[in-house]
Amino acid sequence: DSGVTQTPKHLITATGQRVTLRCSPRSGDLSVYWYQQSLDQGLQFLIQYYNGEERAKGNILERFSAQQFPDLHSELNLSSLELGDSALYFCASSPGEDEAFFGQGTRLTVV
Amino acid sequence: QQQVKQSPQSLIVQKGGISIINCAYENTAFDYFPWYQQFPGKGPALLIAIRPDVSEKKEGRFTISFNKSAKQFSLHIMDSQPGDSATYFCAASTGNQFYFGTGTSLTVIP
Repeated sequence: DSGVTQTPKHLITATGQRVTLRCSPRSGDLSVYWYQQSLDQGLQFLIQYYNGEERAKGNILERFSAQQFPDLHSELNLSSLELGDSALYFCASSPGEDEAFFGQGTRLTVV
Repeated sequence: QQQVKQSPQSLIVQKGGISIINCAYENTAFDYFPWYQQFPGKGPALLIAIRPDVSEKKEGRFTISFNKSAKQFSLHIMDSQPGDSATYFCAASTGNQFYFGTGTSLTVIP
């Protein structure tokens, strides 16, 4: 158990809908990363937050957004969902600049 | 653009053999190189990591070899076991971001 908690574990939704994925980082970790993992794309970095502030942005679509709250949990919001958004979404947390610890992921299926 | 290139995509090894996975990078600003192991349905778990000031790091049956001049690093799994069957990802970090390789699916045959 990495100490990073992601909810829900599974999510099935229809195209055009909006969903929110939640991540609770390890106790004391200030950095939260979001990744998308699909079969043909590997692990794609989406966005990083550090202590509530956006620190780095990767290949995150405009339909997606994230935030980190004062208690350090983070949410990833996915809107106007398309079939191609079906993937595993991972959150990772880090105490500093190294050693990212991953949650178990949320499997999103868009039908 | 793939910041970290990983090969092979899949690997089949006999039990007791050596599994070798290779990664290459271009950005000399990378200063941390971890390897992650992922089992089906689970999140990637940190396996072993190295910094560019050393050429090799060994932890049990897992060894990272690092060649700074060639900008390459590799994971060696000695005495591979069926329980090692998983997907392995190399990564490189500048501190702000982790860039992952595309993964290697390792199957160890009993």
